Amino acid sequence: AQTVTQSQPEMSVQEAETVTLSCTYDTSESDYYLFWYKQPPSRQMILVIRQEAYKQQNATENRFSVNFQKAAKSFSLKISDSQLGDAAMYFCAYRSPLTGNQFYFGTGTSLTVIP
Amino acid sequence: DVKVTQSSRYLVKRTGEKVFLECVQDMDHENMFWYRQDPGLGLRLIYFSYDVKMKEKGDIPEGYSVSREKKERFSLILESASTNQTSMYLCASSLLRGKQYFGPGTRLTVT
Repeated sequence: AQTVTQSQPEMSVQEAETVTLSCTYDTSESDYYLFWYKQPPSRQMILVIRQEAYKQQNATENRFSVNFQKAAKSFSLKISDSQLGDAAMYFCAYRSPLTGNQFYFGTGTSLTVIP
Repeated sequence: DVKVTQSSRYLVKRTGEKVFLECVQDMDHENMFWYRQDPGLGLRLIYFSYDVKMKEKGDIPEGYSVSREKKERFSLILESASTNQTSMYLCASSLLRGKQYFGPGTRLTVT
């Protein structure tokens, strides 16, 4: 099975600063999808950003962007101009279209935003 | 907006009881998923379904079963609840190759 690793259980960032959350994954597939999900304290998980493996261009969504390094199997999330509402648990996820469309999640990174 | 709802936000059950957790989505998604979320372990897939009456085991199916009689509804069943099944349960749905939409979660406590 694919594995997704988030090596930073906790991170903190000053409001208005930039923070990068890391994620690595292990796969032998060439076609897959990668996602970052956010789970605020209210606990409803929402999608932040997604990346198709065949696209070389890094995905961007407003203040959120990714650094996708396919050869290194790395998929980090950069949050610019951090806001208090960004405080949440962030999960990196891998989706394989070849194994029944299963999602594989990392263990999460808890982000604290300091006012 | 896609809506995924779960039957309860909080549930307390006794050891040995049969427990039903229900999930309903309103966007005609083919895929539905059940996860459990535990601190330090992230989300672990219990079961998923890619069509009515179709199901596949995830990483931790032991002690659980599922039912999908209608496309919009995916039920998770704990045949005989045990204390180690105390957890947060998350349901999600997606199109065949799309992102997942999550429900609000059910916090289950087994005493």
